Amino acid sequence: GNSVTQMEGPVTLSEEAFLTINCTYTATGYPSLFWYVQYPGEGLQLLLKATKADDKGSNKGFEATYRKETTSFHLEKGSVQVSDSAVYFCALSVGVAAGNKLTFGGGTRVLVKP
Amino acid sequence: EAGVAQSPRYKIIEKRQSVAFWCNPISGHATLYWYQQILGQGPKLLIQFQNNGVVDDSQLPKDRFSAERLKGVDSTLKIQPAKLEDSAVYLCASSLTDTLNYNEQFFGPGTRLTVL
Repeated sequence: GNSVTQMEGPVTLSEEAFLTINCTYTATGYPSLFWYVQYPGEGLQLLLKATKADDKGSNKGFEATYRKETTSFHLEKGSVQVSDSAVYFCALSVGVAAGNKLTFGGGTRVLVKP
Repeated sequence: EAGVAQSPRYKIIEKRQSVAFWCNPISGHATLYWYQQILGQGPKLLIQFQNNGVVDDSQLPKDRFSAERLKGVDSTLKIQPAKLEDSAVYLCASSLTDTLNYNEQFFGPGTRLTVL
């Protein structure tokens, strides 16, 4: 079956620190990979995505590279802000044929202190 | 453009009672999803509709959960009777239906259910 494993939180950082959240996956077929973010009191939002090996997704200063050889999609940001405090979810989809269904990891809470 | 709407935002019930959640997707989105998010876990798909037909309900506990999307627009998820382990946030999402490409799912704010 399909599964996503991401590092447990919470991750506490100071402003301007470097952030990495590890994500690895197991999938039948060739998945697309995603990072979703959930800000306090808000719904899940797509942060970035990558649909094939070696693709790099990027948005709002965040980046993640699809590594097929290590089945990983680690999220990075070079300099975090207090406003980046949120819960981050790694997810995969094995495609339209599977109904666009998302499989999520357990989430990583990030707290950025001023 | 209005996002995915859900109501109520919070609900507290006692075990063995029934509860219903409502979702109105983004206009024009033919595909609608219900997810269950237990505290500290990622969302888990319960059921997926395309228009008013069920695409996937393999993870829906059908002995107590039911969902419908009668006119292919808004949807209702019901739990009857509720158990303590049903305490969770219930998320609704919607997407366009494109048979060739991945379609981004847009999520509502969720309904937080507490079963006492």
